[in-house]
Amino acid sequence: GNSVTQMEGPVTLSEEAFLTINCTYTATGYPSLFWYVQYPGEGLQLLLKATKADDKGSNKGFEATYRKETTSFHLEKGSVQVSDSAVYFCALARTSGTYKYIFGTGTRLKVLA
Amino acid sequence: GAGVSQSPSNKVTEKGKDVELRCDPISGHTALYWYRQSLGQGLEFLIYFQGNSAPDKSGLPSDRFSAERTGGSVSTLTIQRTQQEDSAVYLCASSLSGVYNSPLHFGNGTRLTVT
Repeated sequence: GNSVTQMEGPVTLSEEAFLTINCTYTATGYPSLFWYVQYPGEGLQLLLKATKADDKGSNKGFEATYRKETTSFHLEKGSVQVSDSAVYFCALARTSGTYKYIFGTGTRLKVLA
Repeated sequence: GAGVSQSPSNKVTEKGKDVELRCDPISGHTALYWYRQSLGQGLEFLIYFQGNSAPDKSGLPSDRFSAERTGGSVSTLTIQRTQQEDSAVYLCASSLSGVYNSPLHFGNGTRLTVT
C-alpha cells in the first residue's frame, strides 16, 4: 500500500545551520508530494508541494525535489532560523481513486539561537 | 473566520461516554477530511467527504466511530462508548475540490482525553 517514511526527530540545530529532513515514499502510480508544517499552537499548513517527477517545490527558503528514482522528497533549507522551529510532515496524495492524503509521523525541528 | 474551525478545542470524557466533535470548513470547500494524531504517531486518516457523501471511510477504526456532513458544510465526528485508546488530537481539514493537488487547510484540532 501507499506509505510515507520520514526521519525520526527531534532535530536540533543552531541558527544558520543547514537542514535536511529525509522523506521516502511507497506508492502506486505517480502521487503528488507535500511538506506540511505545524508551528507551535497552530494548525498544519502547506509548506510546499511537487506534483510530478523532478519538480522542485519551494517556499520560505525551503526546497524539496520529487525524485522518482529514489522515491524521495527530502526537505532542505540552507540557513535555518529560530522561527523555523516546528513539526514538519511529509505527505503524499494519490492521483486516482479517492484523494486520501497519507502523512508521515512528523519530524520536530528545534533551532537554537 | 476564514479558516477551518473545530470545536471543542479540548474535551475530557469518561470511558464509555459518547462524544461529538465538530468541524466547520472553509466556505466553498467541497472536500473535508478527518484525521487522528496520537502521541508519537503521524496523522491517521479516518474519513473523507466530497460534498455530503463519504467515498472513503476506510480509516474509521471501529463501528463506534461515525461521521456525517450536512449541507456540504459542517461535519460531526461521533465516537460512541469511548475507550482510553481513543485519546488523541482529532484534526479536520478541508480543500477546495478534493483534487489531489488541492492543498489541505487544517483546523487546530480537538484534543480528546478519555479517562
